[in-house]
Amino acid sequence: KAGVTQTPRYLIKTRGQQVTLSCSPISGHRSVSWYQQTPGQGLQFLFEYFSETQRNKGNFPGRFSGRQFSNSRSEMNVSTLELGDSALYLCASTTDTDTQYFGPGTRLTVL
Amino acid sequence: DQQVKQNSPSLSVQEGRISILNCDYTNSMFDYFLWYKKYPAEGPTFLISISSIKDKNEDGRFTVFLNKSAKHLSLHIVPSQPGDSAVYFCAAIAGNNNDMRFGAGTRLTVKP
Repeated sequence: KAGVTQTPRYLIKTRGQQVTLSCSPISGHRSVSWYQQTPGQGLQFLFEYFSETQRNKGNFPGRFSGRQFSNSRSEMNVSTLELGDSALYLCASTTDTDTQYFGPGTRLTVL
Repeated sequence: DQQVKQNSPSLSVQEGRISILNCDYTNSMFDYFLWYKKYPAEGPTFLISISSIKDKNEDGRFTVFLNKSAKHLSLHIVPSQPGDSAVYFCAAIAGNNNDMRFGAGTRLTVKP
């Protein structure tokens, strides 16, 4: 069974631009969660989607948004990028028993 | 491929006893390891970490042990409390590229 895939793996953007990251969960998993990992803040929860609906949301500004499609694939979007948005963005797909499988992450660098 | 493995999906212990959560990894480039705790409907929260230059790190009731030769780490919780019931993830980072990998998690249930 294929694991969680995230694209792209690496991305460089400049301040003010917007970015869209993609996550394909493990087949059959209906829940997708997004996290931001930075050296200073550690792992922080962004949001969780289940059956195309946002089920939980972390404490991030409205510049961070996401969506989930009918095939469970999810995208997250960050608008008006700031230097502090440079981080590793992790996606995890979750089974019905709350076991999470993490993808390799997308490393975003904002210049 | 699953570079970080938590082979026990669940663990049940009695309150006051020791909980031991295990994690194995395959990538010898990992040099920093972390444990996260996750409650239902919440994101994971950082618990404790250990660098590969150490073999033990302790923080209150939580101790992480690292056995580099066996590529194995474990989290000990002593004494276990019902509030410790959660899913525990181990994660590993390869310092050369900051690549972070997570295990699938172990659900710990501490019974009163």
